[in-house]
Amino acid sequence: AQRVTQPEKLLSVFKGAPVELKCNYSYSGSPELFWYVQYSRQRLQLLLRHISRESIKGFTADLNKGETSFHLKKPFAQEEDSAMYYCALSGNTGFQKLVFGTGTRLLVSP
Amino acid sequence: EAGVVQSPRYKIIEKKQPVAFWCNPISGHNTLYWYRQNLGQGPELLIRYENEEAVDDSQLPKDRFSAERLKGVDSTLKIQPAELGDSAVYLCASSLEGELSTEAFFGQGTRLTVV
Repeated sequence: AQRVTQPEKLLSVFKGAPVELKCNYSYSGSPELFWYVQYSRQRLQLLLRHISRESIKGFTADLNKGETSFHLKKPFAQEEDSAMYYCALSGNTGFQKLVFGTGTRLLVSP
Repeated sequence: EAGVVQSPRYKIIEKKQPVAFWCNPISGHNTLYWYRQNLGQGPELLIRYENEEAVDDSQLPKDRFSAERLKGVDSTLKIQPAELGDSAVYLCASSLEGELSTEAFFGQGTRLTVV
């Protein structure tokens, strides 16, 4: 079974502080991991995925298969980063469903 | 491109009444998802379509929920009769399945309140 765990409901930091949003997953095969973000009054949208190995808006995430984690990091948080962040997992064989974690609200204060 | 379009945006109904939601996915996207998002939770998959075929409906409460995707494009999700616990945001998403692409594009959602 696919499962995604985000242990923190709320993460509150000051502007300029480093940020790490935790995500752990459970999946018997080889997963595809994603981070989705939802800004206030906007739709859920893809932030980044592990396959791309890219940095989006200063955020990076590395897939650690040994620890089954895909934590989202940013060295210096900005106020505009305040949003709900959802970690999601999909299998990579055939057509697979996308399973989401419960989300972490990031609040960046000035 | 308008993205995934859902309607209505908001719906308030009394319990035991029927309700329907509509979704128009991004043109050319063969995969369509319906998710339900309860307050404080992440989206939970209700049903996934590949073209017009429902390939995963294991999470759909079939006693009261139904969905269809005629012609493999638009989709409707229906609840009949609605219960208080059905209050949630119903999200539609679509994606273009490929070797590495399972990025799902989401609609704005329909917020359902059952009173």
